[in-house]
Amino acid sequence: AQSVTQLGSHVSVSEGALVLLRCNYSSSVPPYLFWYVQYPNQGLQLLLKYTTGATLVKGINGFEAEFKKSETSFHLTKPSAHMSDAAEYFCAVSPTGTASKLTFGTGTRLQVTL
Amino acid sequence: KAGVTQTPRYLIKTRGQQVTLSCSPISGHRSVSWYQQTPGQGLQFLFEYFSETQRNKGNFPGRFSGRQFSNSRSEMNVSTLELGDSALYLCASSLESGRREQYFGPGTRLTVT
Repeated sequence: AQSVTQLGSHVSVSEGALVLLRCNYSSSVPPYLFWYVQYPNQGLQLLLKYTTGATLVKGINGFEAEFKKSETSFHLTKPSAHMSDAAEYFCAVSPTGTASKLTFGTGTRLQVTL
Repeated sequence: KAGVTQTPRYLIKTRGQQVTLSCSPISGHRSVSWYQQTPGQGLQFLFEYFSETQRNKGNFPGRFSGRQFSNSRSEMNVSTLELGDSALYLCASSLESGRREQYFGPGTRLTVT
């Protein structure tokens, strides 16, 4: 069975500060890993994904994440927060070979203040 | 290219009724997955359809069912609605089953009273 833990249900940063959203996973096989963002009253938008290859993955809107197998982590970062980054962020995992049955974390709501 | 569309966007039903939600995937995508999102349980996988066949199923009661048509459009049905079925139901499409990332629609907000 797979699971995802997102540390911190709410994170608040100042505009221009570093964004760090934490995600740890549990999987018996090498997983596929994803970060999605959800704005109010909208669906989920894919930020980035890790399947195989380079462990540092770059996504849209300046976000990136690093797959660390030894730490079973896939933390999401952005060097400089923007007001438009305020949203809820979900980390998700699926077994290798399939991206169709995602297991999501509980989400982290990012607040960006002036 | 148009994204995933879901209809209706909002729905209010009464306990005991049934409801059908519709999802049109991105053109060319053949896999459709459904997820339920609630404040208490978060995002949970319901089922996946590919080429009109159910490929994967989550841990939901049999009141939740779905189907996929030859044009890849999908419907999900919930019978005998309960208050706990109030949720945002999200549909996601992907190019093939299991080999590509999923793209989500805006969801259908179902309220059961």
